[in-house]
Amino acid sequence: EVQLVESGGGLVQPGGSLGLSCAVSGFTFYTYWMSWVRQAPGKGLEWVANIKQEGSEKNYVDSVKGRFTISRDNAKNSLYLQMNSLRAEDTAVYYCVRGGWFFDYWGQGSLVTVSS
Amino acid sequence: DIQMTQSPSSLSASVGDRVTITCRASQGISNNLAWYQQKPGKVPKLLIYGASTLQSGVPSRFSGSGSGTDFTLTISSLQPEDVATYFCQKYDSAPRTFGPGTKVDIK
Repeated sequence: EVQLVESGGGLVQPGGSLGLSCAVSGFTFYTYWMSWVRQAPGKGLEWVANIKQEGSEKNYVDSVKGRFTISRDNAKNSLYLQMNSLRAEDTAVYYCVRGGWFFDYWGQGSLVTVSS
Repeated sequence: DIQMTQSPSSLSASVGDRVTITCRASQGISNNLAWYQQKPGKVPKLLIYGASTLQSGVPSRFSGSGSGTDFTLTISSLQPEDVATYFCQKYDSAPRTFGPGTKVDIK
């Protein structure tokens, strides 16, 4: 059974940093592109970033470029999102998802709240 | 960047009705389009990719069509469990933009 389990969300002040992790099981992690997608409360879906199988290629939505870093550890079957210089508009549920183009498996999400 | 729009933003239909949702890209994206269903309080679920390929396990009452800039998601016979918000998403290039969503409920 494919499982993606996010952790690391919480409350952070504007300008602060937070790191999300996603532990993956049930499929051969290192053979898949992976992505992060977020959803602000009561809003739609926004793709945030993706990363190639070996980590050599990464793409980001413009609004997070230079602030967020996606990474992975294939030995640990884990995906990460380091978020710096956080803003109120980054408040959202962050989903770890399988795929680099369309997304066939989703984690349950981790809520990140940016507020003073 | 290519923008995605959906219409209508919401609809109400009766059980058994045929429901059609439209997604439009501001530039051509070939058939690089996916559809997702998000039930209230739940995680999004992939329904269709490649504009018309049904994801494994998705009921056959769901279908997708289109290419280029105009796409449709059709529910051939609406069921109570189809109450959800439906999102289209382009994946021809980065950013992998989602449409704003169409909320479907039962009349």
